[in-house]
Amino acid sequence: GAGVSQSPSNKVTEKGKDVELRCDPISGHTALYWYRQSLGQGLEFLIYFQGNSAPDKSGLPSDRFSAERTGGSVSTLTIQRTQQEDSAVYLCASSPGQEYNQPQHFGDGTRLSIL
Amino acid sequence: AQSVTQPDIHITVSEGASLELRCNYSYGATPYLFWYVQSPGQGLQLLLKYFSGDTLVQGIKGFEAEFKRSQSSFNLRKPSVHWSDAAEYFCAFATSGTYKYIFGTGTRLKVLA
Repeated sequence: GAGVSQSPSNKVTEKGKDVELRCDPISGHTALYWYRQSLGQGLEFLIYFQGNSAPDKSGLPSDRFSAERTGGSVSTLTIQRTQQEDSAVYLCASSPGQEYNQPQHFGDGTRLSIL
Repeated sequence: AQSVTQPDIHITVSEGASLELRCNYSYGATPYLFWYVQSPGQGLQLLLKYFSGDTLVQGIKGFEAEFKRSQSSFNLRKPSVHWSDAAEYFCAFATSGTYKYIFGTGTRLKVLA
């Protein structure tokens, strides 16, 4: 079946612009995660959605970052007034539920470059 | 504090040689452990996972990992590396009752022909 789909695959934008990154999880997966992967770094947790529960936003680095998940499916990560340090690969993952023993399935990511 | 360490940033091996990638964790109890692989331009793919039971777990692509409680380690191994194994490898762990994974910083594997 279809995996986690992210778009765009690459995004280049000027500093100060807003960007939207999209994630389409595997059908039926209730849990959705966003991560940021900077060069030479591990994965940095950003935000977590589980069903209709309030999201865990504890990993968002600043108030320029926000995310929503409509209808329990597609999610959009928005970065306002982008800065050069926002350049990174943004990865989305989904899993069937919130338990630890349900591994996360990752999309191919969006490579964001801020000029 | 909970953490996972991958001491080797880069490893280079010759094709056909054996491979061991190190992973150490810091946690007061037994965590749930994972190895993921990331090929260039792609997301992460699960290689294997350990939850309980047999401490030697088999994964996809001929990989295996051994959980050693006494050493707080979960090292990944492969007897004979193929050129297609060149990628970045991430160790991660989770704890019961939580949904967050903690990832290591990754080990980049280069395979020489």
